[in-house]
Amino acid sequence: QVQLVESGGGVVQPGTSLRLSCAASGFTFSNFAMHWVRQAPGKGLEWVAVISYDGVNKYHTDSVNGRLTISRDNSKNTLYLEMNSLRGDDTAVYYCARGLFPSSWHYLGTWGQGTLVAVSS
Amino acid sequence: QSALTQPPSASGSPGQSVTISCTGTSNDVGLYSYVSWYQQLPGKVPKLMIYEVNKRPSGVPDRFSGSKSGNTAYLTVSGLQAEDEAEYYCTSNAASNNFHVVFGGGTKLTVL
Repeated sequence: QVQLVESGGGVVQPGTSLRLSCAASGFTFSNFAMHWVRQAPGKGLEWVAVISYDGVNKYHTDSVNGRLTISRDNSKNTLYLEMNSLRGDDTAVYYCARGLFPSSWHYLGTWGQGTLVAVSS
Repeated sequence: QSALTQPPSASGSPGQSVTISCTGTSNDVGLYSYVSWYQQLPGKVPKLMIYEVNKRPSGVPDRFSGSKSGNTAYLTVSGLQAEDEAEYYCTSNAASNNFHVVFGGGTKLTVL
């Protein structure tokens, strides 16, 4: 079955970097756009970034100001989120999600369980 | 990019129907059919309930339906059941960039 498993979260200090991973299985990873979505504790969902099936096209929410970068390695069936200059407001559960259909960018059909990133001194 | 506007709460009794609104602008909800709705049960991962305004993914009960009028999209839950109690989020493309996704603030649905 389709499965997404995030890893790499943890407690980090402000200003440091972290890389999240999302291991995909049960489908042809290289056919689907992939997203990162985050949810701060007790808050709503916030879309972070999307990457095309081939990794060529990437879009990030304006609020991350280039500090967070999405990437993928189709040979490893893995999605990444590189996080730099981390701030307290980056504290959240980070979910990876797959597009509903190979052709769809805007619909998040399958979600991972999430990985918690806590930025604190 | 501005979030879509949802009421913070909605409620209904078992068996009733409830409609949740999601208001955007003429450059996102009003212009495209990229509206979707997600259900997040307490402590759980979000689940896609409606896509492309009114389509249901496989396995979603037909008690859930979507529609749109002008700049506002709607999620209707008919025949409310206790297990429908959850947070509901709408999404659309962002007005500033068609490839960006923007979420609404979420609506807490309470089954009385």
